[in-house]
Amino acid sequence: GESVGLHLPTLSVQEGDNSIINCAYSNSASDYFIWYKQESGKGPQFIIDIRSNMDKRQGQRVTVLLNKTVKHLSLQIAATQPGDSAVYFCAEMTGGSYIPTFGRGTSLIVHP
Amino acid sequence: NAGVMQNPRHLVRRRGQEARLRCSPMKGHSHVYWYRQLPEEGLKFMVYLQKENIIDESGMPKERFSAEFPKEGPSILRIQQVVRGDSAAYFCASSPPASAGNTIYFGEGSWLTVV
Repeated sequence: GESVGLHLPTLSVQEGDNSIINCAYSNSASDYFIWYKQESGKGPQFIIDIRSNMDKRQGQRVTVLLNKTVKHLSLQIAATQPGDSAVYFCAEMTGGSYIPTFGRGTSLIVHP
Repeated sequence: NAGVMQNPRHLVRRRGQEARLRCSPMKGHSHVYWYRQLPEEGLKFMVYLQKENIIDESGMPKERFSAEFPKEGPSILRIQQVVRGDSAAYFCASSPPASAGNTIYFGEGSWLTVV
């Protein structure tokens, strides 16, 4: 998603569809990436991570793809469910730092 | 559940008062992070600590904000003389010693409202 004004980018999908949430990062030295899910009123919850020596990593219903050439990260959610509705953040880290830097987030809305 | 514990979950303070937010890391974790989140925004790094040592405080405002992680007890984020602009959600995260990996795990946050 792309940032527009002060509002979070939003992705609306129907239950059962696959969702793809995108994230562009700026630091070519970043070598570790994490996706978090944040539900309203709660803290960010770890979903999946990937290191820069990989292009793809799969979890349960989620896949993260990393394209280092264009500095792009995506999170794919298969068979999206209403419980997946949340804000999704990507975070990047460089090897010399242990401090994740977060993107603005994308709001995923799943319609039953 | 031995996750990251934060308290209070909600805190209301009048302008000029002090706010103290506490964080107990996950069992076995020795490093603590504090992040601030404004409505509809991402998480902004504030400070990174280990026991009795501030490793990186590059995200901390120069005045009124301080953090500590004593040898015993929780990490504390302290905001003196709060102003309305301090109203936000403050999240604590913890991680194992750096050599063990990079993933950090968050608590449920402390929501500060300044009236």
